[in-house]
Amino acid sequence: ETGVTQTPRHLVMGMTNKKSLKCEQHLGHNAMYWYKQSAKKPLELMFVYSLEERVENNSVPSRFSPECPNSSHLFLHLHTLQPEDSALYLCASSPGLAGGQTGELFFGEGSRLTVL
Amino acid sequence: AQKVTQAQTEISVVEKEDVTLDCVYETRDTTYYLFWYKQPPSGELVFLIRRNSFDEQNEISGRYSWNFQKSTSSFNFTITASQVVDSAVYFCALSSIRSILTGGGNKLTFGTGTQLKVEL
Repeated sequence: ETGVTQTPRHLVMGMTNKKSLKCEQHLGHNAMYWYKQSAKKPLELMFVYSLEERVENNSVPSRFSPECPNSSHLFLHLHTLQPEDSALYLCASSPGLAGGQTGELFFGEGSRLTVL
Repeated sequence: AQKVTQAQTEISVVEKEDVTLDCVYETRDTTYYLFWYKQPPSGELVFLIRRNSFDEQNEISGRYSWNFQKSTSSFNFTITASQVVDSAVYFCALSSIRSILTGGGNKLTFGTGTQLKVEL
């Protein structure tokens, strides 16, 4: 068990659907992240939240909408996606400045998204 | 801009062989972290090691060892006496310490990964 839990683990959706990915961390961390992992490509940073404020939006299309209601939860809302958005979406957390940043991220097992 | 290059896309070895995974990085930052992560088939990235840019002391931890050479911008990872359970994708990553200290979060730049297959 990693301390970072992602649901659902697998999601299949049509291009007109609206769905959400959920991430919860049980580590008391202050920063949370969404990464996208596509085949044969490096992991791409999508969003960073530090103390519930978005500090990074890495040129992500507006069809991906993040939400961080508190420091333990992070959502990725999905709407009108394209087939090329099919990927493994990984959530991560880190202690952040207040907790003593040691550099590493702690990852969940990912949500495998397939867009038909 | 930061960049991490893992030139080996896939390596296959027989159990008990030693294997070295290569990592070369580019950054303009003078202080940074380097990482190795392991991704088993279950999906989550498992943290293996972090090195600071100002600490070039190489490290051995059990069957794992790391060789950090700042002069060549390399951070290679060796598994001694490989085992089938070592089969996974291994990622090298880089982050800027300045970004962390200025509240920007820890934005890791990853390489494309090396698929390691250890066979009996």
